[in-house]
Amino acid sequence: GAVVSQHPSWVICKSGTSVKIECRSLDFQATTMFWYRQFPKQSLMLMATSNEGSKATYEQGVEKDKFLINHASLTLSTLTVTSAHPEDSSFYICSAKGTGDTEAFFGQGTRLTVV
Amino acid sequence: GQNIDQPTEMTATEGAIVQINCTYQTSGFNGLFWYQQHAGEAPTFLSYNVLDGLEEKGRFSSFLSRSKGYSYLLLKELQMKDSASYLCACMDSNYQLIWGAGTKLIIKP
Repeated sequence: GAVVSQHPSWVICKSGTSVKIECRSLDFQATTMFWYRQFPKQSLMLMATSNEGSKATYEQGVEKDKFLINHASLTLSTLTVTSAHPEDSSFYICSAKGTGDTEAFFGQGTRLTVV
Repeated sequence: GQNIDQPTEMTATEGAIVQINCTYQTSGFNGLFWYQQHAGEAPTFLSYNVLDGLEEKGRFSSFLSRSKGYSYLLLKELQMKDSASYLCACMDSNYQLIWGAGTKLIIKP
């Protein structure tokens, strides 16, 4: 299957700082990327969907000014958590799919801890 | 509204067979996915069904009945490494994935 690389795998940051998470498709062109958040023992919660070259579509309740998503190329999308707070501590996962693909491939996930 | 239901937790014995059920109600249907997720890791793809019937892939099989809004994942010859959460997800008419809460499968020796 296709490979999606997410970086970093884990990060600890101080409250009030910003953190950037990268999601790269290594061997295919990802026209659509999805960003999820998962709290312990809960299912994946879709935060936003981004199509290459377009603004991301955010799910209801997700602050677009706090979770900045950039999908400037067919192989890279970034999620920046701005002014992070302890309640933003979570597991963030990206997935990507190419045009016409049914399956989306997941990155490894990023464990964010805000202290 | 859109809804995916699956049991919260199941327990099975090593070497046995277990069936994890999933029922769904979505606006439109473009297929059903099963993913496996080990604790602290991202989900990994197991199966995709868009037509009625059984799809077999090694020890894992997945079944779909669109008229009943029902699917199951069948795991045979259970191994300890199969202990994980199993997520059912439906693709709706907008090709968005609607996720179930996951079924935590506990395998006992």
